[in-house]
Amino acid sequence: IAGITQAPTSQILAAGRRMTLRCTQDMRHNAMYWYRQDLGLGLRLIHYSNTAGTTGKGEVPDGYSVSRANTDDFPLTLASAVPSQTSVYFCASSERETAYNEQFFGPGTRLTVL
Amino acid sequence: GQNIDQPTEMTATEGAIVQINCTYQTSGFNGLFWYQQHAGEAPTFLSYNVLDGLEEKGRFSSFLSRSKGYSYLLLKELQMKDSASYLCAPLDSNYQLIWGAGTKLIIKP
Repeated sequence: IAGITQAPTSQILAAGRRMTLRCTQDMRHNAMYWYRQDLGLGLRLIHYSNTAGTTGKGEVPDGYSVSRANTDDFPLTLASAVPSQTSVYFCASSERETAYNEQFFGPGTRLTVL
Repeated sequence: GQNIDQPTEMTATEGAIVQINCTYQTSGFNGLFWYQQHAGEAPTFLSYNVLDGLEEKGRFSSFLSRSKGYSYLLLKELQMKDSASYLCAPLDSNYQLIWGAGTKLIIKP
């Protein structure tokens, strides 16, 4: 593994189903983030974690939950998917949550909820 | 509220120079990032400015004026591979990136 990986690459999901998007980084970064990207809109922060064992809510957290049991993994769960959660989801990490810490992005998961 | 404003789309010619502007309003400020995003791919880091002035990095330069809430990305000697979206993202007082919708740059031969 080099950098950040996400799985699955894409998924079609029936509304009401539960889904977990996986994210793993091997850079030993402290901070990790989940964003969604919709056409015509900027990246919007869903949840973040500044260090293992802690999480926080971003701009659009409703309908999503996260956990950070260790440094490397930061899964995002949709408890009961709805069509408005159709989006491209990016996981990112940075060394710290402070100034001048560029975020490195995973390749993204394209999710379609029908 | 927090707001980022950048043009939706720009067109330029291969070999030319283009300037992509970004104005921002944020709760606090801890610097500004520019990212490049090719269609269907993840954003990748281009530059970071925290002090006023111009930062040059090869064909790309980024400028910041904190008093005006203004930044621009300058791309020189444009190549076809520069066709991408360019995302302006200031860092607010909570060290959260506030992302603009991005400027889609189209390069024509």
